[in-house]
Amino acid sequence: KAGVTQTPRYLIKTRGQQVTLSCSPISGHRSVSWYQQTPGQGLQFLFEYFSETQRNKGNFPGRFSGRQFSNSRSEMNVSTLELGDSALYLCASSREGRLGLDTQYFGPGTRLTVL
Amino acid sequence: AQSVTQPDIHITVSEGASLELRCNYSYGATPYLFWYVQSPGQGLQLLLKYFSGDTLVQGIKGFEAEFKRSQSSFNLRKPSVHWSDAAEYFCAVGFNAGGTSYGKLTFGQGTILTVHP
Repeated sequence: KAGVTQTPRYLIKTRGQQVTLSCSPISGHRSVSWYQQTPGQGLQFLFEYFSETQRNKGNFPGRFSGRQFSNSRSEMNVSTLELGDSALYLCASSREGRLGLDTQYFGPGTRLTVL
Repeated sequence: AQSVTQPDIHITVSEGASLELRCNYSYGATPYLFWYVQSPGQGLQLLLKYFSGDTLVQGIKGFEAEFKRSQSSFNLRKPSVHWSDAAEYFCAVGFNAGGTSYGKLTFGQGTILTVHP
């Protein structure tokens, strides 16, 4: 069974631009979560989507948004990029996002650099 | 709010030595506990998880972890470390309470493991 895939793997943008990252979950998984990983803040939860609906959201500004398609693939978008948005963005999928019963599997991440 | 603490930022061991990585959590109820490993530039790989039942859980690559409710701990152990175990290790907690728990893991800050030959 194929794992979680993320595209692109690396991205360089300049301040003020916007960016879209893509995530394809494991087949049969309907929950997709996004995390931001930085050396200073560690791994922080961005949001979770299930059946095309955002069910949970972390403490990030509105510049960070996402969506999920009917095939469970998900995208996240960051508008008006800032230097501090440079990070590894990880996508994770699970069957239903109930992490007391379920397990999240992570993709390889997209490394975003903002210049 | 729930929190996860990994007290050791960096641990160095010799190949063949035993290993214990510490993890403490703070939450009013029993959380669901996970250990992940991350190699440089890679995503997170699940090592093991605790949901319920036997408090000693076995994982991949010869790792095990023990849940101790009285100490709010979930320490990761390996009897004999291999050079390929050098990586960063993350403890995480999840909950099944609907709402703000959906799809969300709370992670510790990570422990970097260096293995000397």
